[in-house]
Amino acid sequence: AQKITQTQPGMFVQEKEAVTLDCTYDTSDQSYGLFWYKQPSSGEMIFLIYQGSYDEQNATEGRYSLNFQKARKSANLVISASQLGDSAMYFCAMREGSGDRDDKIIFGKGTRLHILP
Amino acid sequence: AAGVIQSPRHLIKEKRETATLKCYPIPRHDTVYWYQQGPGQDPQFLISFYEKMQSDKGSIPDRFSAQQFSDYHSELNMSSLELGDSALYFCANAPQGIGDDGYTFGSGTRLTVV
Repeated sequence: AQKITQTQPGMFVQEKEAVTLDCTYDTSDQSYGLFWYKQPSSGEMIFLIYQGSYDEQNATEGRYSLNFQKARKSANLVISASQLGDSAMYFCAMREGSGDRDDKIIFGKGTRLHILP
Repeated sequence: AAGVIQSPRHLIKEKRETATLKCYPIPRHDTVYWYQQGPGQDPQFLISFYEKMQSDKGSIPDRFSAQQFSDYHSELNMSSLELGDSALYFCANAPQGIGDDGYTFGSGTRLTVV
């Protein structure tokens, strides 16, 4: 069964608007971590933001914030004031477990975001 | 800041040839993960190492092998290459704790099998 679900294969958003990328996850672990990565056309995988399952506040990092709703098992990424350079593929990812050094992360299918001028 | 270094950046091989991909982690990072990302796909976990020992294994074909050396760099060896092995291969380091939350990925090796 898919552990990370991103239901939006592609999105088109006008520059300067805010955008929400959806992510739901499935785990029976009490301790886990959620991540968002940006992959531009160059192919590199850029870490954006992290949310731990025990974190009480939503994570924020500059224009990025993570809307964490634990009971609904969702971890949506919000990008405020979108820019042309935000056009990329965005992956939601999860680490199950408390973050031992050998815990891997698994990815969703991704959402391709297009920012329109 | 030091990052994860992968070499080569691009590699073209013929079917049935072998390939070796290298990963040099961030200094003092002892865990390495390998991922394979096919065209238009999400990254798939292949294998990981912690303190030079294999710690987890994913969907890695038997034709592939990997190891982590005493200096913590890692190599992914791929034999009898197939067209379907064409992909972007990433290695990554785990976060190290407070102030370091994300898994750091290298720039990837783009392997093309012809």
